[in-house]
Amino acid sequence: DGGITQSPKYLFRKEGQNVTLSCEQNLNHDAMYWYRQDPGQGLRLIYYSQIVNDFQKGDIAEGYSVSREKKESFPLTVTSAQKNPTAFYLCASSIIGGNGNTIYFGEGSWLTVV
Amino acid sequence: KNQVEQSPQSLIILEGKNCTLQCNYTVSPFSNLRWYKQDTGRGPVSLTIMTFSENTKSNGRYTATLDADTKQSSLHITASQLSDSASYICVVSRAAGTYKYIFGTGTRLKVLA
Repeated sequence: DGGITQSPKYLFRKEGQNVTLSCEQNLNHDAMYWYRQDPGQGLRLIYYSQIVNDFQKGDIAEGYSVSREKKESFPLTVTSAQKNPTAFYLCASSIIGGNGNTIYFGEGSWLTVV
Repeated sequence: KNQVEQSPQSLIILEGKNCTLQCNYTVSPFSNLRWYKQDTGRGPVSLTIMTFSENTKSNGRYTATLDADTKQSSLHITASQLSDSASYICVVSRAAGTYKYIFGTGTRLKVLA
């Protein structure tokens, strides 16, 4: 089935650790995104990429890093510089251009600091 | 400033009743508007998408309306079911610019038996 796969679903991070969330899509979409969702709040854009080997910062990029070495993959690393990383993380993808394209989401990953 | 505002923030209704969720936006230039349903702990799933020229779009018991002149949209849920309990997110796309998708904060709907 076509879609976006995020892993792991649940992740625990110790203070000072870097952790990486995986995101893979088989929709042949050029654009991929990472969003953070906190309880009772809307989605906030962390990073996005429109082409392989290129990505742009979103509204809350500090403490995060990404790579886009393959069209299908857009992993997110939460670094120790992110002081409040506990949240629900959503990966998404879409085509570029057109008037009616939809953004598709993965099932999300819960990150908790212990 | 490009913004999407949703109301109410939360809503509780009895099973079988109808409800309407609101979305006001100030996004420019406008491309399209989507409503998503997000179950707790899951990714959002698209319900409807409307472009500038569309006024109404239905998906089963969900009917979305768009008034591009007043920059308002609504999502009407008919004969609610327990499975409708979720957050409903309004997302407006810009036709140009760096940040293409502008998200509302969502309406949390709880349907009680």
